Amino acid sequence: GENVEQHPSTLSVQEGDSAVIKCTYSDSASNYFPWYKQELGKRPQLIIDIRSNVGEKKDQRIAVTLNKTAKHFSLHITETQPEDSAVYFCAARGGGFKTIFGAGTRLFVKA
Amino acid sequence: DTEVTQTPKHLVMGMTNKKSLKCEQHMGHRAMYWYKQKAKKPPELMFVYSYEKLSINESVPSRFSPECPNSSLLNLHLHALQPEDSALYLCASSPTGTSGIGANVLTFGAGSRLTVL
Repeated sequence: GENVEQHPSTLSVQEGDSAVIKCTYSDSASNYFPWYKQELGKRPQLIIDIRSNVGEKKDQRIAVTLNKTAKHFSLHITETQPEDSAVYFCAARGGGFKTIFGAGTRLFVKA
Repeated sequence: DTEVTQTPKHLVMGMTNKKSLKCEQHMGHRAMYWYKQKAKKPPELMFVYSYEKLSINESVPSRFSPECPNSSLLNLHLHALQPEDSALYLCASSPTGTSGIGANVLTFGAGSRLTVL
């Protein structure tokens, strides 16, 4: 089955700096790669997603890149703000219903 | 309505109790999911219903019993749970989950935090 690895587990940045979180997946049939943000005590919320026919997608300060050959995808947050502090999960999904999550990255943005 | 609503928000139960978690969505989504999330861990898939039929059971112990009475409702019946079952139980839905733009985008509920004594 699908396995998603996520790094780093913890990331601390200064406000205004960029943050990058990387994930790899194992199943070459996976074709949909969402990123979720989960604040403490809250539900996971979709922040951006990318499909396998696209290499890059951007939404304001957030961008995601996908390298299908290497089975890598990454989340880039620019101009980080304290409210970006949360746990971020990457995920991968193939043709069925299984969305498999990475272990999560705890992002701290220091003011 | 763009939300998934879960009740109760918190539940404390003994190992001999029978209780149920409930989930409701009115977005017309036809796929509904139960995930289990332990502290500082990612959500783990338990069950998936597609068009009110059970599509995936991730080898979950029988003390967890899902039910999908209609396309808007999803229940998780709990019986004879163990303390290690204490976790946040997240319900989610997606338009269909099979194919097509947006078909498999998950919308999560706020979760039911379960404590088993």
